[in-house]
Amino acid sequence: AQSVAQPEDQVNVAEGNPLTVKCTYSVSGNPYLFWYVQYPNRGLQFLLKYITGDNLVKGSYGFEAEFNKSQTSFHLKKPSALVSDSALYFCAVRDYRDDKIIFGKGTRLHILP
Amino acid sequence: GAGVSQTPSNKVTEKGKYVELRCDPISGHTALYWYRQSLGQGPEFLIYFQGTGAADDSGLPNDRFFAVRPEGSVSTLKIQRTERGDSAVYLCASSLRRSNTGELFFGEGSRLTVL
Repeated sequence: AQSVAQPEDQVNVAEGNPLTVKCTYSVSGNPYLFWYVQYPNRGLQFLLKYITGDNLVKGSYGFEAEFNKSQTSFHLKKPSALVSDSALYFCAVRDYRDDKIIFGKGTRLHILP
Repeated sequence: GAGVSQTPSNKVTEKGKYVELRCDPISGHTALYWYRQSLGQGPEFLIYFQGTGAADDSGLPNDRFFAVRPEGSVSTLKIQRTERGDSAVYLCASSLRRSNTGELFFGEGSRLTVL
């Protein structure tokens, strides 16, 4: 069965600094990997995905993520954080043979002005 | 509609009562998912529909929970004999087709409070 771990409950970053939100996964086959963001009182929104190909994927709002097969990681990154990036971020994984998408517990990102 | 619609947005009920939560997916989306999100946790998978049939219901916690999608569009999550531990936000999501590479479109959720 697939699983996702987000080791940090909260990440604090000063505005303008680079940010990283960590995610590791476990699947028996090839993974499909995703990041979603949840703003207060809003539904989850898709940010980006890795399916195949280039290990560095780019998504919405200037976010990117790097797939590392040997480390089974898919960390979310942004070169320069904005206060408006403050939200709850979820990593998710799907085994390519299965339609079930499993989410991590989430990481709260605080960008400090 | 333009997005996934969930009703009611808030539901307060008493322990032991029956509850129905409705999801209206994006038009044309054949895949529909139900998740449950408790405070401080990530979305927990409950059930997944492809068309009218439940393709995977392995996340339903027990037989008090049931979901239907009779015409392949609107889905209803049904909870019998509610318990206080059922209190959570119930999320619905849809996607275009089974082979879709997994981008889900979420509704804003139905917050269930069991007193």
